[in-house]
Amino acid sequence: DGGITQSPKYLFRKEGQNVTLSCEQNLNHDAMYWYRQDPGQGLRLIYYSQIVNDFQKGDIAEGYSVSREKKESFPLTVTSAQKNPTAFYLCASRQTGDSYGYTFGSGTRLTVV
Amino acid sequence: LAKTTQPISMDSYEGQEVNITCSHNNIATNDYITWYQQFPSQGPRFIIQGYKTKVTNEVASLFIPADRKSSTLSLPRVSLSDTAVYYCLVVRRGGKLQFGAGTQVVVTP
Repeated sequence: DGGITQSPKYLFRKEGQNVTLSCEQNLNHDAMYWYRQDPGQGLRLIYYSQIVNDFQKGDIAEGYSVSREKKESFPLTVTSAQKNPTAFYLCASRQTGDSYGYTFGSGTRLTVV
Repeated sequence: LAKTTQPISMDSYEGQEVNITCSHNNIATNDYITWYQQFPSQGPRFIIQGYKTKVTNEVASLFIPADRKSSTLSLPRVSLSDTAVYYCLVVRRGGKLQFGAGTQVVVTP
């Protein structure tokens, strides 16, 4: 089945460490997105990429970095510069053009200890 | 993008119809109305999308009046498994999704 795979499901990080969250899709979608969700709140856009080797900052990009070297993969690095990284991180993809529907992964819950 | 306003929470009993109304007064001509459902610790799932009048699928119906300044998601005969957060979004072709806090629907026996 086609879909989006996020790994790991749970991740613990010590303060001051960088950590990378994986997002892989086999839907042949052009665009990929990273969102952050805090308890009781909606999703906030971190970064997005509409095409390989290109990406743009979202609303809360500070302290995060991404790469898009392959169409299928869009990893997110949470750097030590992110002051409050504990959150639920969601990756999504969408086919550009006429499609409006986004497909989301099952998320990675990151906890800083 | 047009800002959306929807109730914070709604309670219902099993078997009842749940209607969630969303306001989007500043919706533009090219914008569509889209609804997503999210269960705890999962990613949102696309439910339904429409531009005007009524759209129905196997999960829900979406009612959009002529002025398109609001929309109503209708969930027929809800069950306990429909307990989730429902998000109303105004989406532009090729645009990004902007999520609000959504509506927490709680279904009880």
